[in-house]
Amino acid sequence: AQTVTQSQPEMSVQEAETVTLSCTYDTSENNYYLFWYKQPPSRQMILVIRQEAYKQQNATENRFSVNFQKAAKSFSLKISDSQLGDTAMYFCAFLPREAAGNKLTFGGGTRVLVKP
Amino acid sequence: NAGVTQTPKFRVLKTGQSMTLLCAQDMNHEYMYWYRQDPGMGLRLIHYSVGEGTTAKGEVPDGYNVSRLKKQNFLLGLESAAPSQTSVYFCASSPDTRWEGSGRRSEQFFGPGTRLTVL
Repeated sequence: AQTVTQSQPEMSVQEAETVTLSCTYDTSENNYYLFWYKQPPSRQMILVIRQEAYKQQNATENRFSVNFQKAAKSFSLKISDSQLGDTAMYFCAFLPREAAGNKLTFGGGTRVLVKP
Repeated sequence: NAGVTQTPKFRVLKTGQSMTLLCAQDMNHEYMYWYRQDPGMGLRLIHYSVGEGTTAKGEVPDGYNVSRLKKQNFLLGLESAAPSQTSVYFCASSPDTRWEGSGRRSEQFFGPGTRLTVL
């Protein structure tokens, strides 16, 4: 069984600055995917970024980038040039490549508050 | 496309009452899921389905039942609601797991959630 840990319950950042969210996971799998989901106050779950474990290059999506350290089982999310609309809960999630049913395992979440 | 929709958006029940949450998706996805979200615990999988007519237990299935009679619909039932079932419930769907060298097929698409309070 996999576990995903997000050790930062809450973080705050000034608008236009950078914030980094941490995520660690525990697995015996070698091939898997990692995701960051954003949940704004509207409650809608939105996929922010994905990383494929067999790719060494870190994924980037506009202002969002990850630092994937496979050996350390670490998957941090960096939000650059933070905007007020980035205020949300952020969840890290893990998916083994061979998982029956595409079942995700989520971390407990990190609440991010962007201050003007 | 509406994506994934959930009915109702809010509901208040008394202990012992029953109800059914409806999830519908119009993306022709094979897999569907029901999660509950509680403060500090992220999303936990209740039940899931890998195709029409199939269901399977997730991490926290006790007190819930599900049915997938049609591919596009996934129903979550509470036969006798308890205060411990007060939560926000999310439905999600995803394509099947035939990998083609890309993680795109693994993405889950979420509904807007249902806030359930059991008094």
